[in-house]
This record gives sequence, structure tokens and C-alpha cells, in this order.
Amino acid sequence: DAMVIQNPRYQVTQFGKPVTLSCSQTLNHNVMYWYQQKSSQAPKLLFHYYDKDFNNEADTPDNFQSRRPNTSFCFLDIRSPGLGDAAMYLCATSRDWGASYNEQFFGPGTRLTVL
Amino acid sequence: EDQVTQSPEALRLQEGESSSLNCSYTVSGLRGLFWYRQDPGKGPEFLFTLYSAGEEKEKERLKATLTKKESFLHITAPKPEDSATYLCAVQAEGGSEKLVFGKGTKLTVNP
Repeated sequence: DAMVIQNPRYQVTQFGKPVTLSCSQTLNHNVMYWYQQKSSQAPKLLFHYYDKDFNNEADTPDNFQSRRPNTSFCFLDIRSPGLGDAAMYLCATSRDWGASYNEQFFGPGTRLTVL
Repeated sequence: EDQVTQSPEALRLQEGESSSLNCSYTVSGLRGLFWYRQDPGKGPEFLFTLYSAGEEKEKERLKATLTKKESFLHITAPKPEDSATYLCAVQAEGGSEKLVFGKGTKLTVNP
């Protein structure tokens, strides 16, 4: 089945220790997104890629970076995690930019704990 | 600024007790309204997209409707497996693919 895969499902890191979360997709979608979701809150968009074109949300901290080496993979790098960065990180994809019926499909998420 | 408000925050139903969840939105121009289901510790699962006022979509016990100001997710004769958080999101006109989510309604269906 075509899907969005995130690894690892659970990640524990120490305060200030860099961490990388990964996302892959078999849907062959052009757009990939990273969301942050804290407990009982709405998912919040951090940034997205349309193909290799990177788009950062204005309020995304500089501590968060992303890479998309090819169509299938996208990485979220947190350079110096703080306690406030503990959250569920969700990767999503959509077929194309500006297309009709352009639903976003989500992966299972990575739960990040910062000690 | 685009905003989405969902109510109630939490809802407890007995199995078979039908009800509705509300999603009120403020957006400069609506391109699409999306409903997702999210189980604990998992990513949101796509349910429906609605594009214009008056549109309705159904899937099993769920029916989503849309007006110019709000959307309802009607749950008919719910079962315990319908327990989840239901998220509503809007996408505005203007070329951005960004989804603005509400905080969700946590639904619990007791047997």
C-alpha cells in the first residue's frame, strides 16, 4: 500500500543534543510537510517542500531545519532541542501544488521526548 | 488571520447515541475544508474534503456538511471504535497549500 512512513516512532534526546527525524513516502507526491503537534493542541505547520523548493513558516524557530534529498525522503533536523520542543512531529504529503482534490496524507508521527 | 474553532472540546456518547461535532471557521476565501480522525499516538487519518456550501459527504456512520461559516460532522449510531479525536482544517484561497487546524473534538463512545 502507498503510504507515508516516519522513523523512528519514538525518539528520546537530551537537552541541546541534535536530533534528526525522517519521513519517506511511496505516494510519489510532490509536496511534503512537517507539522508539530503538542498535547491536546492543533497540528502547527513548520515548513513544506514543493519538489525541492523549501518554504518556511514565518514563526518557525531557526532551531528547526529540513532537508529533502529526493522526492521520497524528507528530514527534520532540530539543532539544539529544548524542553519546549517535546511534541509529536507529523510528516504529511499532498499530490501537487494548487491541484484540485489536494488532500494531505499524514504519517504515524514521531513522538520526541527531551530530557 | 484564518481561524478554526471546534466544539465541543470533548464529547461522551453511549453506543448508538447520535450526535454532531461543530467546526466554525473564518477564512478570507475557502478553498477546502477537511475532516481528519486522529487516534491516540497516531497521525491524522483523512476522512472528507468539502469545497462549497451545501456539499455533503458520507462514510459509514459519518456525514460531513458545509455552510459558509461552519461544518458539521454528524455521527449516526456510533460504536466504541468511533472513539477518537476529530480534527477540522481549512485551506484558504490564494495559492497556499497550508492547512489551518482546529484543536479537535475528543469523542468517547461507551459500550
